[in-house]
Amino acid sequence: GIQVEQSPPDLILQEGANSTLRCNFSDSVNNLQWFHQNPWGQLINLFYIPSGTKQNGRLSATTVATERYSLLYISSSQTTDSGVYFCAVGRKDTGNQFYFGTGTSLTVIP
Amino acid sequence: KAGVTQTPRYLIKTRGQQVTLSCSPISGHRSVSWYQQTPGQGLQFLFEYFSETQRNKGNFPGRFSGRQFSNSRSEMNVSTLELGDSALYLCASSLVYSTNEKLFFGSGTQLSVL
Repeated sequence: GIQVEQSPPDLILQEGANSTLRCNFSDSVNNLQWFHQNPWGQLINLFYIPSGTKQNGRLSATTVATERYSLLYISSSQTTDSGVYFCAVGRKDTGNQFYFGTGTSLTVIP
Repeated sequence: KAGVTQTPRYLIKTRGQQVTLSCSPISGHRSVSWYQQTPGQGLQFLFEYFSETQRNKGNFPGRFSGRQFSNSRSEMNVSTLELGDSALYLCASSLVYSTNEKLFFGSGTQLSVL
């Protein structure tokens, strides 16, 4: 399978701070998505971003497929941003079989 | 539009029993995939169903099986439960079987095997 590494593993921020989460993957991929797992366990889809840059409010993501990495930016963090952020990648012709990273656990303190 | 619905939310079983988990995808979505999440192994792909056919299977023993119905609802079954099967089981849906689809997850079923 594809190896997916996320860094940092843990992050503690003061409310209002900015952060960058990184996802490295070991092989060519056709699909890359970022998810936020809330304290109740649900995975919320943040971005579908196999390449390029996208923005959604205070969140933005960039994927450089040729260099096999993706970045998730969180600006002006809020306590509701706390949780675990996962990067997931998928190969061509394997449907929705995704390989997940081990996640970045983010805690935002007021 | 309702999201992905998984039932039950919590389950407690004993070793050797079997269990069936249910997943209703987002209306109009025809692909359903299942993932297991544990503290030790993280999120791992179990299998994917599209048009009532299993399209992909992860590296899990044959005790793990599933099916999909004509209305796209899916069930997964685990037979002869082991302690190591304790996990959060997550179901995800997407429009079709494709690598270019966005994945939407349900809230999961937390299975505890005693």
